[in-house]
Amino acid sequence: EPEVTQTPSHQVTQMGQEVILRCVPISNHLYFYWYRQILGQKVEFLVSFYNNEISEKSEIFDDQFSVERPDGSNFTLKIRSTKLEDSAMYFCASTIENYNTEAFFGQGTRLTVV
Amino acid sequence: SQQGEEDPQALSIQEGENATMNCSYKTSINNLQWYRQNSGRGLVHLILIRSNEREKHSGRLRVTLDTSKKSSSLLITASRAADTASYFCATDAWNNDMRFGAGTRLTVKP
Repeated sequence: EPEVTQTPSHQVTQMGQEVILRCVPISNHLYFYWYRQILGQKVEFLVSFYNNEISEKSEIFDDQFSVERPDGSNFTLKIRSTKLEDSAMYFCASTIENYNTEAFFGQGTRLTVV
Repeated sequence: SQQGEEDPQALSIQEGENATMNCSYKTSINNLQWYRQNSGRGLVHLILIRSNEREKHSGRLRVTLDTSKKSSSLLITASRAADTASYFCATDAWNNDMRFGAGTRLTVKP
């Protein structure tokens, strides 16, 4: 069964450092998403991406965040200067269409900012 | 806000019992979906119900949607210990991508 893969599974970084979280969406999917989940809390929408552009972003997705699809397979989330409060699980998801369709999620990257 | 809010926050039942989780939301939606998450791992899609549907079944799962009350329920029948997980509803609106609620943590005791 096709799956979304995320790397690394766990990343520890110093406050102020840049991190790049990587995702490989399902190959025929066209819509890509990042969500985050602070430990024990709700899953929060960050950003959606389609046709090499951001479709929608939340208030969490400020100038410190950026997304990119550098090639035909990877979808990345960059945090330029990490803060302690960026510590969370980050989930990538993809869908084949942008509505009335299930989203496939990766297993997540646990980001710990120290 | 669009996002759903589940209740209860936590539910503990015995194996074999039914589990009912509820979700309420505030805006008009295109569809509502239920996802399951095991111990902080990735979310797994369970079922999608469109705004023009009222009930849907998938195996031991039954989902209802009442758009007049802006609410949905997820029923898991004959629960098993392996059903222990967090369950999230997610709403998809025409002008917003999918938003999740805070989830219900279900514990099924063997």
